[in-house]
Amino acid sequence: DQQVKQNSPSLSVQEGRISILNCDYTNSMFDYFLWYKKYPAEGPTFLISISSIKDKNEDGRFTVFLNKSAKHLSLHIVPSQPGDSAVYFCAASVSSGSARQLTFGSGTQLTVLP
Amino acid sequence: DTGVSQDPRHKITKRGQNVTFRCDPISEHNRLYWYRQTLGQGPEFLTYFQNEAQLEKSRLLSDRFSAERPKGSFSTLEIQRTEQGDSAMYLCASSPYAAGGKQFFGPGTRLTVL
Repeated sequence: DQQVKQNSPSLSVQEGRISILNCDYTNSMFDYFLWYKKYPAEGPTFLISISSIKDKNEDGRFTVFLNKSAKHLSLHIVPSQPGDSAVYFCAASVSSGSARQLTFGSGTQLTVLP
Repeated sequence: DTGVSQDPRHKITKRGQNVTFRCDPISEHNRLYWYRQTLGQGPEFLTYFQNEAQLEKSRLLSDRFSAERPKGSFSTLEIQRTEQGDSAMYLCASSPYAAGGKQFFGPGTRLTVL
C-alpha cells in the first residue's frame, strides 16, 4: 500500500517557465509534508516543507501548496533553472510518538531545458 | 563540513557474506534514521534511534539486519548472510529533537550483492 504517490515519473520544462510537481497521499494522519531534491550519487537534500495547518509555504523560487480535502500537494518552481534538474521526492510524516519516520513517494525526474 | 557522512560509499559483496555500514550524524542531532532505497523508488524507513535507544523498526528490517548506536553518536547497520535482494542504496539521516519532520541525509552506501 503506497501511502504517498507521485504519478509522474518525469517532467520536462523550458528554462524560465514554471515547473509543477504533484503528489497525492492516502493517510489522513500525515501532518507534515516535505519536498526533497536528489542529485545522482548524493543523498536527498531538504527543499521545503509545510505543516498540515497551512495551505501554502513559500521560499524564494519554491512554493508548496497543500490541499487537505483532496489529499494533494504540489511544488511550484518559478522560474525554473537548469540547475533544478534532479529527482524530486515528496515525503510525509505523522507526529506519533517521538519518531517522525518519513514516507516517500517514488520521485519525479525534473529536466529543465536551456 | 558538518553534514551527515556514511562509509563506505560503495560496497560489493558476494551472496552470503556479512557487511557493515557506518553513519556519522550531524554532531548535535540526537535522532538518527536508516532508510533503504531501491531503483525507481523513494527511500523506505528501516529503523530509528533517539540517542542510543533504538525506538522503532520497520517490518522491512528482517532478523538478518541489526543496527546499533552504542554511544548515541555514530551508528552501524549490519546485514548478515546477504542476499541479492539486499542490493540497494542505504541512507542515513539525522535530525535534532525539535525539527518537525525535517531530516538531513547522508550520501548513502550503495550495496551490490553478487
